[in-house]
Amino acid sequence: DAGVTQSPTHLIKTRGQQVTLRCSPISGHKSVSWYQQVLGQGPQFIFQYYEKEERGRGNFPDRFSARQFPNYSSELNVNALLLGDSALYLCASSLVRGVNNEKLFFGSGTQLSVL
Amino acid sequence: AQKITQTQPGMFVQEKEAVTLDCTYDTSDQSYGLFWYKQPSSGEMIFLIYQGSYDEQNATEGRYSLNFQKARKSANLVISASQLGDSAMYFCAMRGFSTSSGSARQLTFGSGTQLTVLP
Repeated sequence: DAGVTQSPTHLIKTRGQQVTLRCSPISGHKSVSWYQQVLGQGPQFIFQYYEKEERGRGNFPDRFSARQFPNYSSELNVNALLLGDSALYLCASSLVRGVNNEKLFFGSGTQLSVL
Repeated sequence: AQKITQTQPGMFVQEKEAVTLDCTYDTSDQSYGLFWYKQPSSGEMIFLIYQGSYDEQNATEGRYSLNFQKARKSANLVISASQLGDSAMYFCAMRGFSTSSGSARQLTFGSGTQLTVLP
């Protein structure tokens, strides 16, 4: 079975531009989360979607938005890019939500560079 | 709010030796879960092991074991019989379960430890 797939793998943008990152969860997984990982740091939570509804949002500005489609795939959008948005963006899916040992399965990420 | 601290930016271990990666945490939640993930250079985060705050026994998964000391708020990862393929970044993470934490159930990660296994 395919794991979590993300596209594109790498992306270069300039300041002020907009970007859309895509994620396909593992088949049967209904929960998708997005994390930002700046070089040298651990991932930071951006959004969680479950059954196509936003269930949580981290401490990120409104320039960041996301959505989940009926097939449970997800898009992360970032508007008005800043140099500080350069990071690895990780998508994770899980089978269920709300259980203590909910295990996240991560994709390989999209490396975004803002020039 | 939760906080994870990993004080070892880098660790070296000889192949076939055991190594302990440190993790301390802080939370006001009574119920929580602790996770360890491995991140190779490919970028993908790979789940290794989980420990619930009310689990009576320390978790084990093959060569991985979690040394959970609740009173000290530590959850160290022990890798036995290190292999060259174990060279990677290792992240400790936690999830709190109180209603005041909100419903997102997100993971809070530490800053990671870069493990290098020497031949």
